[in-house]
Amino acid sequence: QGQLVQSGGEVTKPGASVKVSCKASGYIFTHYGISWVRQAPGQGLEWMGWISGYNGKTNSAQKFQGRVIMTTDTSTSTAYMELRSLRSDDTAVYYCARDLLEWDVVLNGYTNWFDPWGQGTLVTVSA
Amino acid sequence: QSVLAQPPSVSGAPGQRVTISCTGSSSNIGAGFPVHWYQQLPGTAPKLLISGNNNRPSGVPDRFSGSRSGTSASLAITGLQAEDEADYYCQSWDRSLNGFWVFGGGTKLTVL
Repeated sequence: QGQLVQSGGEVTKPGASVKVSCKASGYIFTHYGISWVRQAPGQGLEWMGWISGYNGKTNSAQKFQGRVIMTTDTSTSTAYMELRSLRSDDTAVYYCARDLLEWDVVLNGYTNWFDPWGQGTLVTVSA
Repeated sequence: QSVLAQPPSVSGAPGQRVTISCTGSSSNIGAGFPVHWYQQLPGTAPKLLISGNNNRPSGVPDRFSGSRSGTSASLAITGLQAEDEADYYCQSWDRSLNGFWVFGGGTKLTVL
């Protein structure tokens, strides 16, 4: 089935960095990827990027390129997402989600869904 | 503004049927990429509701169903219950730029 457990909430200042962890259990970590999705207060879901649990390959949304660093530690089945140069509008709940990274060669894109999701980590950026 | 367009809100009385639309374009839903739906109860993480246009994971009641046609998809909920009150999001892949996951803006379902 699988379960993802995230680290606790963080309060940080503009310009700083934050690192959120996501520990996986109940499945083979290297057989899947992890996507990171954030949700600003009262807003919808926004995909940030994914990382392969198999080889550490990453891909991020253009908006976050250069500011987000995703890593994994396969020895502990844990994924990490670090966001740098934080601004007040980065205040959000950050979720990790298991991502099968199932590439469809005909459609030339991914077709899988996210399941399960972590419980979320609230990151507050405030001076 | 979300790549996939959803109505901000829908409502219905207990027992009624409601539908939530998700409108995309030729680079995502219209290109053939499947649509997935998530339910987010207040204060909780999103939960997979429908995968691959119309597949219900184990444990999801058959009151929930999905469909896709052209550049749009829909989520239908029949026999509406109070516990269905939640936010619903559609998701698909968009192959523009370098390709990325896209979500709808979300629809708040109110059970009257």
